[in-house]
Amino acid sequence: GAGVSQSPSNKVTEKGKDVELRCDPISGHTALYWYRQSLGQGLEFLIYFQGNSAPDKSGLPSDRFSAERTGGSVSTLTIQRTQQEDSAVYLCASSLRTGSNQPQHFGDGTRLSIL
Amino acid sequence: AQSVSQHNHHVILSEAASLELGCNYSYGGTVNLFWYVQYPGQHLQLLLKYFSGDPLVKGIKGFEAEFIKSKFSFNLRKPSVQWSDTAEYFCAVNAGTGGFKTIFGAGTRLFVKA
Repeated sequence: GAGVSQSPSNKVTEKGKDVELRCDPISGHTALYWYRQSLGQGLEFLIYFQGNSAPDKSGLPSDRFSAERTGGSVSTLTIQRTQQEDSAVYLCASSLRTGSNQPQHFGDGTRLSIL
Repeated sequence: AQSVSQHNHHVILSEAASLELGCNYSYGGTVNLFWYVQYPGQHLQLLLKYFSGDPLVKGIKGFEAEFIKSKFSFNLRKPSVQWSDTAEYFCAVNAGTGGFKTIFGAGTRLFVKA
């Protein structure tokens, strides 16, 4: 069956450019999460969407980062005026229902490299 | 604020050796605990989870973990590792009182020598 799909799988761009990363969650999953994984670091929480509720943006590192989730399904993470420290793997995950005890299903990630 | 600490960043074992990966968290309330695994070239996947009940939980591929509330720990164990267990292992914690933000540890890279 279809899992969480992320695109592109790899993105190389110049410093200062804007990038958009896309996540297609598993159909029917109401919760969607974005994480950032840097070399030697754990998964850094960025933002969480649950249904039609206001997203939890508490993990976004700066105002250059934003995310949307349209129609309760696909999500786009946007990074404006990229910096070299933004280079990382960006992971998306979804879970079936509300509730903190629900395990998350992860995509393969987007590897972002800022030159 | 919640935090998760994994004691070992890199572990190297020979096949058939026993494994224990440490995980400690800081949160005084009810927690949900997870171990995720990322095999080379694959995405993160759930290994096992604890919500309530028996503090010794069994996961896939012979892994188990024990929740010790008094020690704020959730260590992962396997009696005899195989080469195919080579992967990165992440401990994760989520507050059990409605907070949905899951905090992950830094991960432990396990390499099993054949």
